[in-house]
Amino acid sequence: DAGVIQSPRHEVTEMGQEVTLRCKPISGHNSLFWYRQTMMRGLELLIYFNNNVPIDDSGMPEDRFSAKMPNASFSTLKIQPSEPRDSAVYFCASRREQAINTEAFFGQGTRLTVV
Amino acid sequence: GENVEQHPSTLSVQEGDSAVIKCTYSDSASNYFPWYKQELGKGPQLIIDIRSNVGEKKDQRIAVTLNKTAKHFSLHITETQPEDSAVYFCAATSDNYGQNFVFGPGTRLSVLP
Repeated sequence: DAGVIQSPRHEVTEMGQEVTLRCKPISGHNSLFWYRQTMMRGLELLIYFNNNVPIDDSGMPEDRFSAKMPNASFSTLKIQPSEPRDSAVYFCASRREQAINTEAFFGQGTRLTVV
Repeated sequence: GENVEQHPSTLSVQEGDSAVIKCTYSDSASNYFPWYKQELGKGPQLIIDIRSNVGEKKDQRIAVTLNKTAKHFSLHITETQPEDSAVYFCAATSDNYGQNFVFGPGTRLSVLP
């Protein structure tokens, strides 16, 4: 398996533009997490899905952020409109839940710069 | 909900010395505690984990200890090498379905040659 695949790896956009980040989890995994990482705030959970259903989106900063998981193999995180303070590295992670915990596998991240 | 604290935030050691990173958690229902290593420009990767039915686990130069009563767990790296330099994150979760992974704030480890 190729692991968790995120695209794009880097994104530079102007303030006010819409940004869409994409994630393909590992096949067979049924939980998917979106994290944001900054120097100031570390690794913050934004939202996570279980069996394609959003379980907890309390970490989503504001209404400008939205996430979808239309099927088990794809998820998007959208920011509209983007602002300079959204600049960060965004990670997607997936895991397969079973009776015994399994690790979460991370993608390589998308480095977002909003100018 | 779960809250994970991690200390120290930065740690510098001489090559060959040991490094210890400590984490505490708040939710007594948590029973799975992974440690992740993040190298520059990459996503975090699991290096070792421990479940609450075990007090200690070792894998070559790294080990993790867990004290359920005190709600803390630690990462121990012996005979440190320059390639151990990275940011390390601890996390806590439970094996109930649909559970979140709560990460600590991270420790930046620098191994000086």
